[in-house]
Amino acid sequence: DTEVTQTPKHLVMGMTNKKSLKCEQHMGHRAMYWYKQKAKKPPELMFVYSYEKLSINESVPSRFSPECPNSSLLNLHLHALQPEDSALYLCASSQVQGVTYEQYFGPGTRLTVT
Amino acid sequence: GENVEQHPSTLSVQEGDSAVIKCTYSDSASNYFPWYKQELGKRPQLIIDIRSNVGEKKDQRIAVTLNKTAKHFSLHITETQPEDSAVYFCAASTFRGNAGGTSYGKLTFGQGTILTVHP
Repeated sequence: DTEVTQTPKHLVMGMTNKKSLKCEQHMGHRAMYWYKQKAKKPPELMFVYSYEKLSINESVPSRFSPECPNSSLLNLHLHALQPEDSALYLCASSQVQGVTYEQYFGPGTRLTVT
Repeated sequence: GENVEQHPSTLSVQEGDSAVIKCTYSDSASNYFPWYKQELGKRPQLIIDIRSNVGEKKDQRIAVTLNKTAKHFSLHITETQPEDSAVYFCAASTFRGNAGGTSYGKLTFGQGTILTVHP
Protein backbone atom coordinates (compact mmCIF):
# COMPACT_ATOMS: atom_id res chain seq x y z
CA ASP A 1 0.00 0.00 0.00
CA THR A 2 1.71 3.17 -1.21
CA GLU A 3 -1.11 5.53 -0.49
CA VAL A 4 -1.60 8.50 1.76
CA THR A 5 -5.24 9.31 2.42
CA GLN A 6 -6.72 12.60 3.57
CA THR A 7 -10.15 13.57 4.83
CA PRO A 8 -12.19 15.52 4.11
CA LYS A 9 -11.65 16.25 0.42
CA HIS A 10 -13.32 19.63 0.70
CA LEU A 11 -14.01 21.82 3.70
CA VAL A 12 -15.78 25.14 3.99
CA MET A 13 -15.57 26.85 7.34
CA GLY A 14 -16.31 30.19 8.87
CA MET A 15 -13.70 32.24 10.66
CA THR A 16 -15.08 31.26 14.08
CA ASN A 17 -15.29 27.54 13.41
CA LYS A 18 -13.06 24.77 14.70
CA LYS A 19 -12.32 21.92 12.33
CA SER A 20 -9.70 19.23 11.82
CA LEU A 21 -7.97 17.72 8.81
CA LYS A 22 -6.92 14.10 8.94
CA CYS A 23 -4.13 12.22 7.20
CA GLU A 24 -3.35 8.51 7.32
CA GLN A 25 -0.68 6.25 5.88
CA HIS A 26 0.09 2.57 6.34
CA MET A 27 3.48 2.40 4.69
CA GLY A 28 5.39 2.32 7.96
CA HIS A 29 6.78 5.80 7.31
CA ARG A 30 8.08 7.56 10.39
CA ALA A 31 8.13 11.09 8.98
CA MET A 32 4.94 12.97 8.15
CA TYR A 33 4.48 16.44 6.75
CA TRP A 34 1.86 19.16 6.33
CA TYR A 35 2.08 21.49 3.34
CA LYS A 36 -0.06 24.41 2.23
CA GLN A 37 -0.45 25.04 -1.50
CA LYS A 38 -1.96 28.05 -3.20
CA ALA A 39 -3.08 27.87 -6.82
CA LYS A 40 -0.17 27.57 -9.30
CA LYS A 41 2.37 27.80 -6.49
CA PRO A 42 4.63 25.14 -5.01
CA PRO A 43 3.73 23.41 -1.78
CA GLU A 44 4.95 25.31 1.28
CA LEU A 45 6.12 23.27 4.22
CA MET A 46 4.24 23.91 7.45
CA PHE A 47 5.13 21.12 9.88
CA VAL A 48 7.26 17.99 10.03
CA TYR A 49 6.80 15.13 12.46
CA SER A 50 9.49 12.52 12.86
CA TYR A 51 8.86 9.50 15.08
CA GLU A 52 5.68 11.21 16.26
CA LYS A 53 7.59 14.23 17.52
CA LEU A 54 7.32 17.71 16.06
CA SER A 55 10.61 18.39 14.30
CA ILE A 56 9.82 21.49 12.26
CA ASN A 57 7.32 24.31 12.64
CA GLU A 58 7.92 26.76 9.81
CA SER A 59 6.69 29.74 11.84
CA VAL A 60 3.09 28.76 11.23
CA PRO A 61 0.42 30.86 13.04
CA SER A 62 -0.99 29.25 16.15
CA ARG A 63 -4.44 29.00 14.58
CA PHE A 64 -3.00 25.87 12.94
CA SER A 65 -2.26 23.14 15.48
CA PRO A 66 -0.74 19.84 14.35
CA GLU A 67 -1.03 16.55 16.15
CA CYS A 68 0.50 13.14 15.54
CA PRO A 69 -1.38 10.62 17.72
CA ASN A 70 0.52 7.62 16.33
CA SER A 71 2.89 6.66 13.53
CA SER A 72 0.06 6.30 10.99
CA LEU A 73 -2.02 9.37 11.72
CA LEU A 74 -1.48 13.09 11.37
CA ASN A 75 -4.06 15.73 12.20
CA LEU A 76 -4.21 19.45 11.62
CA HIS A 77 -6.55 21.33 13.93
CA LEU A 78 -7.91 24.61 12.61
CA HIS A 79 -9.35 27.46 14.66
CA ALA A 80 -10.18 31.09 13.91
CA LEU A 81 -8.81 30.93 10.38
CA GLN A 82 -8.63 33.86 8.00
CA PRO A 83 -9.84 33.96 4.38
CA GLU A 84 -6.20 34.01 3.20
CA ASP A 85 -5.80 30.56 4.75
CA SER A 86 -7.96 29.16 1.96
CA ALA A 87 -5.74 26.72 0.07
CA LEU A 88 -5.06 23.08 -0.68
CA TYR A 89 -3.62 21.36 2.37
CA LEU A 90 -1.40 18.43 1.51
CA CYS A 91 -0.13 15.72 3.78
CA ALA A 92 2.93 13.66 2.89
CA SER A 93 4.93 10.88 4.45
CA SER A 94 8.40 9.47 3.97
CA GLN A 95 10.84 6.94 5.27
CA VAL A 96 14.54 7.40 5.25
CA GLN A 97 16.19 4.66 3.23
CA GLY A 98 19.80 5.35 2.43
CA VAL A 99 19.76 8.89 1.17
CA THR A 100 16.47 8.75 -0.68
CA TYR A 101 13.43 9.77 1.24
CA GLU A 102 10.71 9.97 -1.32
CA GLN A 103 7.73 11.88 -0.05
CA TYR A 104 4.35 10.43 -0.92
CA PHE A 105 1.61 13.04 -1.06
CA GLY A 106 -2.02 12.61 -0.18
CA PRO A 107 -4.77 14.02 -2.45
CA GLY A 108 -5.17 17.06 -0.25
CA THR A 109 -8.03 18.87 1.46
CA ARG A 110 -9.39 21.89 -0.39
CA LEU A 111 -10.11 24.42 2.37
CA THR A 112 -12.26 27.50 1.90
CA VAL A 113 -12.54 29.99 4.74
CA THR A 114 -15.54 32.30 4.51
CA GLY B 1 18.38 27.93 3.98
CA GLU B 2 18.04 26.26 0.62
CA ASN B 3 16.80 28.25 -2.38
CA VAL B 4 15.68 26.59 -5.61
CA GLU B 5 15.22 28.53 -8.84
CA GLN B 6 13.24 26.94 -11.69
CA HIS B 7 13.00 27.99 -15.34
CA PRO B 8 11.05 28.50 -17.47
CA SER B 9 7.81 29.32 -15.67
CA THR B 10 5.80 28.30 -18.74
CA LEU B 11 6.72 26.02 -21.61
CA SER B 12 4.67 25.30 -24.69
CA VAL B 13 5.68 22.55 -27.14
CA GLN B 14 4.19 20.57 -29.97
CA GLU B 15 3.40 16.91 -29.48
CA GLY B 16 6.50 14.85 -30.20
CA ASP B 17 8.94 17.63 -29.33
CA SER B 18 11.28 17.52 -26.37
CA ALA B 19 10.87 19.65 -23.24
CA VAL B 20 13.61 20.74 -20.85
CA ILE B 21 13.13 22.33 -17.44
CA LYS B 22 16.09 23.61 -15.45
CA CYS B 23 16.64 24.19 -11.75
CA THR B 24 19.46 25.57 -9.66
CA TYR B 25 19.95 25.17 -5.94
CA SER B 26 22.03 27.02 -3.40
CA ASP B 27 22.82 24.59 -0.57
CA SER B 28 25.74 22.30 -1.38
CA ALA B 29 24.51 19.96 1.37
CA SER B 30 21.42 19.05 -0.67
CA ASN B 31 21.72 15.46 -1.79
CA TYR B 32 18.37 14.38 -3.19
CA PHE B 33 16.54 15.98 -6.12
CA PRO B 34 13.01 14.83 -6.96
CA TRP B 35 10.74 16.04 -9.74
CA TYR B 36 6.99 16.17 -9.22
CA LYS B 37 4.20 16.40 -11.76
CA GLN B 38 0.94 17.94 -10.64
CA GLU B 39 -2.16 17.84 -12.78
CA LEU B 40 -4.96 20.30 -12.14
CA GLY B 41 -6.75 19.50 -8.89
CA LYS B 42 -4.54 16.52 -8.11
CA ARG B 43 -1.69 15.66 -5.77
CA PRO B 44 1.98 16.15 -6.69
CA GLN B 45 3.30 12.85 -8.01
CA LEU B 46 6.94 11.90 -8.08
CA ILE B 47 8.01 11.17 -11.64
CA ILE B 48 11.76 10.80 -11.25
CA ASP B 49 14.46 11.57 -8.72
CA ILE B 50 18.23 11.60 -8.52
CA ARG B 51 20.76 11.36 -5.74
CA SER B 52 23.83 13.52 -5.47
CA ASN B 53 26.18 10.61 -6.24
CA VAL B 54 24.60 10.06 -9.66
CA GLY B 55 24.95 12.32 -12.72
CA GLU B 56 22.08 11.10 -14.83
CA LYS B 57 19.02 8.90 -14.54
CA LYS B 58 16.53 7.84 -17.19
CA ASP B 59 13.08 6.29 -17.06
CA GLN B 60 11.52 5.74 -20.48
CA ARG B 61 10.80 9.21 -21.91
CA ILE B 62 11.96 11.07 -18.83
CA ALA B 63 15.53 11.80 -17.78
CA VAL B 64 17.16 13.92 -15.12
CA THR B 65 20.72 15.23 -15.10
CA LEU B 66 22.61 16.66 -12.15
CA ASN B 67 25.69 18.87 -12.11
CA LYS B 68 26.82 19.11 -8.50
CA THR B 69 29.64 21.49 -9.23
CA ALA B 70 27.37 24.00 -10.88
CA LYS B 71 24.49 23.16 -8.52
CA HIS B 72 21.95 22.65 -11.23
CA PHE B 73 19.73 19.82 -12.40
CA SER B 74 17.40 19.43 -15.34
CA LEU B 75 14.37 17.42 -16.40
CA HIS B 76 14.21 16.19 -19.98
CA ILE B 77 11.01 14.84 -21.50
CA THR B 78 11.26 13.37 -24.99
CA GLU B 79 8.45 12.60 -27.44
CA THR B 80 6.03 14.72 -25.45
CA GLN B 81 2.36 13.80 -25.42
CA PRO B 82 -0.72 15.89 -24.53
CA GLU B 83 -1.05 13.95 -21.27
CA ASP B 84 2.34 15.34 -20.22
CA SER B 85 0.64 18.72 -19.84
CA ALA B 86 0.81 19.66 -16.15
CA VAL B 87 2.76 21.74 -13.66
CA TYR B 88 6.21 20.36 -12.94
CA PHE B 89 8.07 21.13 -9.73
CA CYS B 90 11.70 20.45 -9.01
CA ALA B 91 12.88 20.16 -5.45
CA ALA B 92 16.06 19.84 -3.47
CA SER B 93 16.28 17.99 -0.20
CA THR B 94 18.72 17.50 2.60
CA PHE B 95 18.55 14.67 5.04
CA ARG B 96 18.03 15.78 8.60
CA GLY B 97 18.88 13.25 11.23
CA ASN B 98 20.39 13.15 14.66
CA ALA B 99 21.17 10.83 17.49
CA GLY B 100 17.81 11.65 19.05
CA GLY B 101 16.13 9.63 16.37
CA THR B 102 14.55 12.35 14.28
CA SER B 103 14.96 11.81 10.57
CA TYR B 104 13.23 13.39 7.61
CA GLY B 105 13.93 15.04 4.32
CA LYS B 106 13.14 18.73 4.06
CA LEU B 107 12.03 19.54 0.51
CA THR B 108 12.50 22.98 -0.98
CA PHE B 109 10.50 23.38 -4.18
CA GLY B 110 11.11 25.46 -7.25
CA GLN B 111 8.32 27.79 -8.38
CA GLY B 112 7.01 25.36 -10.98
CA THR B 113 6.78 25.14 -14.75
CA ILE B 114 3.46 24.99 -16.56
CA LEU B 115 4.03 22.61 -19.47
CA THR B 116 1.51 22.61 -22.30
CA VAL B 117 1.81 20.01 -25.06
CA HIS B 118 -0.25 20.89 -28.14
CA PRO B 119 -1.62 18.01 -30.23
